[in-house]
Formats: sequence, structure tokens, C-alpha cells
Amino acid sequence: QSALTQPASVSGSPGQSITISCTGTSSDVGNYNLVSWYQQYPGKAPKLIIYEVTTRPSRVSSRFSGSKSGNTASLTISGLQADDEADYYCSSYAGSATPYVFGTGTTVSVL
Amino acid sequence: VTLTESGPALVKPTQTLTLTCIFSGLSFNNDVIRLAWIRQPPGKALEWLARIDWDDDDKFFNTSLKTRLAISKDTSKSQVVLTMTNMDPVDTATYYCARVRSGEVFDPWGQGILVTVSS
Repeated sequence: QSALTQPASVSGSPGQSITISCTGTSSDVGNYNLVSWYQQYPGKAPKLIIYEVTTRPSRVSSRFSGSKSGNTASLTISGLQADDEADYYCSSYAGSATPYVFGTGTTVSVL
Repeated sequence: VTLTESGPALVKPTQTLTLTCIFSGLSFNNDVIRLAWIRQPPGKALEWLARIDWDDDDKFFNTSLKTRLAISKDTSKSQVVLTMTNMDPVDTATYYCARVRSGEVFDPWGQGILVTVSS
């Protein structure tokens, strides 16, 4: 099972919106609405920010949103803030044989 | 729900790694308990390793590491154990334990344990 493809880095100015893509295949992202996104600060464990493609846990800011089209899922961060500087990983369910695959990770920088 | 990983910080090449994840805040009677191990080499991406389902003891493994991995549970101690054989320096990573919730999401995660493989 190959890792999902994410851009290595994305940057934006405070207040702007950025979008991180997560490209898989018809066996994972394209076949299940079970894509989740995680935010990870340096030296810390990842934290869930989006699940089931578009659902946001109540504790997560509404500035984070998710979507999917075909084999590509996307995470959008609107109203970019300094605190959004972190690494972001997508994950998809991929069936019972090897259930989970993660993305390659994206570092978000706030200029 | 809280998960806490423990184990050796340093192992030698060819040795077997044994990691323990102790959890709290889950009810064996009321909750669906599925726990996973995930690792992250320094500066690199996350990699899912294994999952165990408490009720039916079903186990799932990353196919590329399947021959080296084992996962087990101990209900009396509220813990899950991961073993990885024939450790190599490329296995140096932070190893995380996480609950797998409905929607196939990992939430929450433990704080992780850094394991270095070196002679």
C-alpha cells in the first residue's frame, strides 16, 4: 500500500486561505468516505481535526474544512493564523487487507 | 480516554522490540475498543503498523511488516502489547498508540515513545 501524496509544504499570509491536497487511488481515498486529517506540532502527537472527509470534531475551529473529489481529498484552512503552523497528515481507510494508509505530510508555514 | 506508551528507548539491531500501551477511560462493557500502533521516523511521515479489536481479538497488520509484528491484549491490565522482531536502524522512530474510533479515525493518541535502534 503506497502512501497518499501530499505537497511537502504550503504557505500563506495571515488571514489567507490555503488548501492541502491528499491524492490516493480508487482503492483508498476514491473508494471510501473515510478520510481523516491530523495536525501535528513539533515534538507532539498528532491530533484529529477532520474525519469522514468533512466532519469536524466540536473542539476544532470552523476555519478547518475538508472535501473530496474522486481520488483526491483536500483540507482547507481559512483565516490563516500563526498557530496553524504545523505538519498536517491525511489518512484513508483502504479496506480490510491493509486498513489504513497515511499521507506523506505537509508543513504549513504562515508568512 | 488516555493512552500511555512504554518500552525501551534503545534497542540493538536484530533484537526484538516490545512496547506496551496502557489505556484508561474506556469501558469494556460499553465501548467498542480498537487500538492501533503507528510510528514516525524522525522528520518523516506517519506509518500505520497494526490494530487489535478487543471484542473478537481480530488483528490487522501492515502487509510490508506483517512477518515481524505481533499484537496482543491484556484485559486485566487494560493494555495492548506490540512486538517487532529483527529490529534495524531504519526502525528508529517514535511509536504511538491510538484508539481507532468509528469512521476509522485515530483519536486520541498517546504521547509516543522514541525508540532508537543502534549498536
